[in-house]
Amino acid sequence: NAGVTQTPKFRVLKTGQSMTLLCAQDMNHEYMYWYRQDPGMGLRLIHYSVGEGTTAKGEVPDGYNVSRLKKQNFLLGLESAAPSQTSVYFCASSTTSGGLISYEQYFGPGTRLTVT
Amino acid sequence: AQSVSQHNHHVILSEAASLELGCNYSYGGTVNLFWYVQYPGQHLQLLLKYFSGDPLVKGIKGFEAEFIKSKFSFNLRKPSVQWSDTAEYFCAVDNYGQNFVFGPGTRLSVLP
Repeated sequence: NAGVTQTPKFRVLKTGQSMTLLCAQDMNHEYMYWYRQDPGMGLRLIHYSVGEGTTAKGEVPDGYNVSRLKKQNFLLGLESAAPSQTSVYFCASSTTSGGLISYEQYFGPGTRLTVT
Repeated sequence: AQSVSQHNHHVILSEAASLELGCNYSYGGTVNLFWYVQYPGQHLQLLLKYFSGDPLVKGIKGFEAEFIKSKFSFNLRKPSVQWSDTAEYFCAVDNYGQNFVFGPGTRLSVLP
C-alpha cells in the first residue's frame, strides 16, 4: 500500500514552458486535492476533486488546470509556467462518510518546482 | 470566507519544556479540526483530529489538543518536547461541505 505518490519529485522549468504533475493514490479515496506550499503562507488549495470526472477551484486556481479521469489519479497542469509558480506542490486524498463529511487528508511527498 | 490563524510563527524551546501552540478559526458552524506535522523535508502527517465528543483529544507522540467551542480554538499541547519534535505544525479546519483550510503554520525549534 503506497498511499499517495507524486511524480516528479523535482522539476526546473523555464518561463512559458508547460508540465503536468501526477498524483496517484491506492486507497480508493473519493476526494483528491492539490496544494501549493510557500514559506509563511502554509498550504493553499489550488484545485480539488470530489470524485472521478469532477473538479473544482480552490483558493488559488489561476494558472493551473486539473483533470481526474480515473478515481486514483489527479493531474495538475501548468500551461505556461511563471516564476510565481515556484513552490512545493502537495497532493492529498481523503475519504468521506458518504455525505459531505471528509476525514483526514493523506499527503504525498511533494514536488519541488522551480520556474526560472 | 473561513480562515485559520496560528498564534506564533516560530517557537523556540529547550528539550523538556512544555509546548502550547495556538489555533483559532473563524467559522461558526460545525467543524472537524486537525493538527498536522511536517518534519524537515517530509510531507504532512496527521498528529490528531477532533470530530465530536470529548473536546480533549490525544494524538501520536504524546501530543494532545483541546477544542474550546466558545473560543473557536483548538490549541495543541505537549508536556515535554524532544529535539525530534522540531518541525512545522499546521492547524486545519474542515467545515462540512467546504474544504480544508490550513493555518499558516508554526515552526517549532527544540534545542538539545
